[in-house]
Amino acid sequence: GESVGLHLPTLSVQEGDNSIINCAYSNSASDYFIWYKQESGKGPQFIIDIRSNMDKRQGQRVTVLLNKTVKHLSLQIAATQPGDSAVYFCAEKVTSNTGKLIFGQGTTLQVKP
Amino acid sequence: ETGVTQTPRHLVMGMTNKKSLKCEQHLGHNAMYWYKQSAKKPLELMFVYSLEERVENNSVPSRFSPECPNSSHLFLHLHTLQPEDSALYLCASSQRGFGTQYFGPGTRLTVL
Repeated sequence: GESVGLHLPTLSVQEGDNSIINCAYSNSASDYFIWYKQESGKGPQFIIDIRSNMDKRQGQRVTVLLNKTVKHLSLQIAATQPGDSAVYFCAEKVTSNTGKLIFGQGTTLQVKP
Repeated sequence: ETGVTQTPRHLVMGMTNKKSLKCEQHLGHNAMYWYKQSAKKPLELMFVYSLEERVENNSVPSRFSPECPNSSHLFLHLHTLQPEDSALYLCASSQRGFGTQYFGPGTRLTVL
């Protein structure tokens, strides 16, 4: 069946370092991927997305990389800050009119001061 | 109000109670979703409404009953819940068929 997974449940980094959060997906027909950030007590917040016809997309301090050959997605956060501490989810869009997303389990990013 | 709002933010109910969760989106979207988020589990899609019509029911027990009276509002009616239904219930909205979903803050539900 379809599944989206993250490689590590927890990632701990030093403030100022770069963070890389990984995600593996199983559906090679998926055409759209999203990264969400969820802080404690809040709902998931959109960070960045990428379509399958791209392999890299950059935002403010964040970069998403897509490797369709190995079905791998990563989120890079530059100069990680304490406010980046949260759970990060990747999501994969199933091709349909309902816009259904399949979510991974999440990686908890802990930023040490 | 902007984005997606949910009320109440916290709810404690007994197994025999009836309650409703409310979601409102101010983004002009035409699709709305209910998710259940339990500890240590991925988000579980419960229901999808597209153009006010239910297009997906992800094998959710009948003790959860959704209602979408218009494209801006979504309800989840609860009755005779079980303790294992305790979780964070998240509402999201999007443009129909377009993947980016925007989430509300959730309702933390505790069933005693």
